[in-house]
Amino acid sequence: SAVISQKPSRDICQRGTSLTIQCQVDSQVTMMFWYRQQPGQSLTLIATANQGSEATYESGFVIDKFPISRPNLTFSTLTVSNMSPEDSSIYLCSARRDKGETQYFGPGTRLLVL
Amino acid sequence: KQEVTQIPAALSVPEGENLVLNCSFTDSAIYNLQWFRQDPGKGLTSLLLIQSSQREQTSGRLNASLDKSSGRSTLYIAASQPGDSATYLCAVLFYGNNRLAFGKGNQVVVIP
Repeated sequence: SAVISQKPSRDICQRGTSLTIQCQVDSQVTMMFWYRQQPGQSLTLIATANQGSEATYESGFVIDKFPISRPNLTFSTLTVSNMSPEDSSIYLCSARRDKGETQYFGPGTRLLVL
Repeated sequence: KQEVTQIPAALSVPEGENLVLNCSFTDSAIYNLQWFRQDPGKGLTSLLLIQSSQREQTSGRLNASLDKSSGRSTLYIAASQPGDSATYLCAVLFYGNNRLAFGKGNQVVVIP
């Protein structure tokens, strides 16, 4: 199994500011992902974090708004830039060693933008 | 289009009854299917992973079956307990994709 931690666990931010969320996996993984879950909704994939190269973004998400870093096989960050109240969500980091293996999730970061 | 559906969105069962949750998917070309549990405001906990070559997986009171040809999976929870109250999510890894496709989940309440 893989254990994933995220920091911060929650935050309250002002409109127009940025927040960086950190994700740490306790073992090396091939794939890391960032999801958003808005209240009462299912998960929406923001992007796949690629080690050593630019992240792959899903439709509707752009690098300027959600820059992602992945410097190695155990760590990634997601920044939510120029925040607005619509960005209030739970942001979840996820990881998988390989295609045929279990995908694990972090505990999430609860973000409230005022 | 590769989609995952879970119906009903919410259900309640009395404690002790067996829980049956259904998941359907539109394309039989899958790598695997995973069931998750999510408690309110928390992350997802992986319950069971079924590979495309498998028919079922079991863990304790949980049993998940997979029928690729009909595009269905069922999660059985035996002798439900109030602690089983949560949202259960089904996710499929389709061929040609690196990302899981999620259903909207079944919100379960087990009544003491």
